[in-house]
Amino acid sequence: RKEVEQDPGPFNVPEGATVAFNCTYSNSASQSFFWYRQDCRKEPKLLMSVYSSGNEDGRFTAQLNRASQYISLLIRDSKLSDSATYLCVVTSNQAGTALIFGKGTTLSVSS
Amino acid sequence: DAGITQSPRHKVTETGTPVTLRCHQTENHRYMYWYRQDPGHGLRLIHYSYGVKDTDKGEVSDGYSVSRSKTEDFLLTLESATSSQTSVYFCAISESPENSPLHFGNGTRLTVT
Repeated sequence: RKEVEQDPGPFNVPEGATVAFNCTYSNSASQSFFWYRQDCRKEPKLLMSVYSSGNEDGRFTAQLNRASQYISLLIRDSKLSDSATYLCVVTSNQAGTALIFGKGTTLSVSS
Repeated sequence: DAGITQSPRHKVTETGTPVTLRCHQTENHRYMYWYRQDPGHGLRLIHYSYGVKDTDKGEVSDGYSVSRSKTEDFLLTLESATSSQTSVYFCAISESPENSPLHFGNGTRLTVT
């Protein structure tokens, strides 16, 4: 099992749609979880951290399921500007190389 | 945005030549990282540093070396560039890798011909 797995997509949705991404991870000892957003030919940028109780930031909701070892990202009322690649990130058990990145899920929002 | 500057932003070089990429931070973070990103592979860690003169290898370190003589600077050197090292290189910084996110520089696009 790969350390962090994401469905690469692409997810093609119309404006206003709700879309959800899942990410599974293999290290049950992982403590920290993040979602990053990466636009084409740009650097990854932190979108939000994922907390055990789940957290929401505007149209974005992140949830963690430790028992099943997956995290999710829900985007409501999709905008054209949400088109990007979304990277799932979890901590590893190796000191110093603590963050493991998924390969990303591509979202395309159309009008 | 975190104060991270990468230079150069773009570089074209020939096979066999040495290349050095620079990452400079103004955040005084202890941890610095070099990643490469290629289609189909995502972000892969090359080397990282956990303090001045303290570095270690990542997943894809062959053909690369690093140096960190000051907290703010982390250099990545390709001793003899090969075409397989054509990639986009990202530097990142972190306060604490166990529970803090990484913040990335805006990348260096390297082409080895």
